[in-house]
Amino acid sequence: QSVLTQPPSASGTPGQRVTISCSGSTSNIGGNTVNWYQHLPGTAPRLLIYSSSQRPSGIPDRFSGSKSGTSASLAISGLQSEDEADYYCAAWDDSLNGYVFGTGTKVTVL
Amino acid sequence: QVQLQESGPGLVKPSETLSLTCTVSGYSISSDYYWGWIRQAPGKGLEWIGNIHHSGNTYYNPSLKSRVTISVDSTKNQFSLRLSSVTAAGTAVYYCARTQRPNFYSAYEHWGQGTLVTVSS
Repeated sequence: QSVLTQPPSASGTPGQRVTISCSGSTSNIGGNTVNWYQHLPGTAPRLLIYSSSQRPSGIPDRFSGSKSGTSASLAISGLQSEDEADYYCAAWDDSLNGYVFGTGTKVTVL
Repeated sequence: QVQLQESGPGLVKPSETLSLTCTVSGYSISSDYYWGWIRQAPGKGLEWIGNIHHSGNTYYNPSLKSRVTISVDSTKNQFSLRLSSVTAAGTAVYYCARTQRPNFYSAYEHWGQGTLVTVSS
């Protein structure tokens, strides 16, 4: 059981904006930054957002992240067919003294 | 550009020890950063196993800690995972990865392609 909870699925039509939530606690999101990964089957996960809202080099600005209290969210604007993938939030958990991933959200482009 | 590649047996028997190696190119493990292992069981989400610094400092998933050992071989620019007493639940794609910043709590920016390990008799 993950300590970070995400909705199992999200969907949108091309061009729409999709938002994914990630709910945690004071020991993880509340006290540390959040990272977001995109994972397509058969490939390595890709870091999309680090430090809650920063994008690594090469990540389109269609992807944005935010954090408030013990929750975080990832927004994908201008949804494209290649955005269809699984998305995971993650953060360090001070109580577990370990890195935790969220339950994952499957994004479908309708 | 740092690159990581997992290697090891694709089939392990129940109760035995799973052993994988991650070979790093384009960057010296001895320089800095944390080097980690993450896995994904079929139909499941990502699960962090643990990470290591070249100094030997390690962090492990509490749920696996009693069975996991991560080590570094700087001479070969490799780091390894050993998971003992495996069961079918250990069947997964195992990824090695490097943190984005030289902190144990940092995000993982560089990943290997992953290797499937099946636990079966």
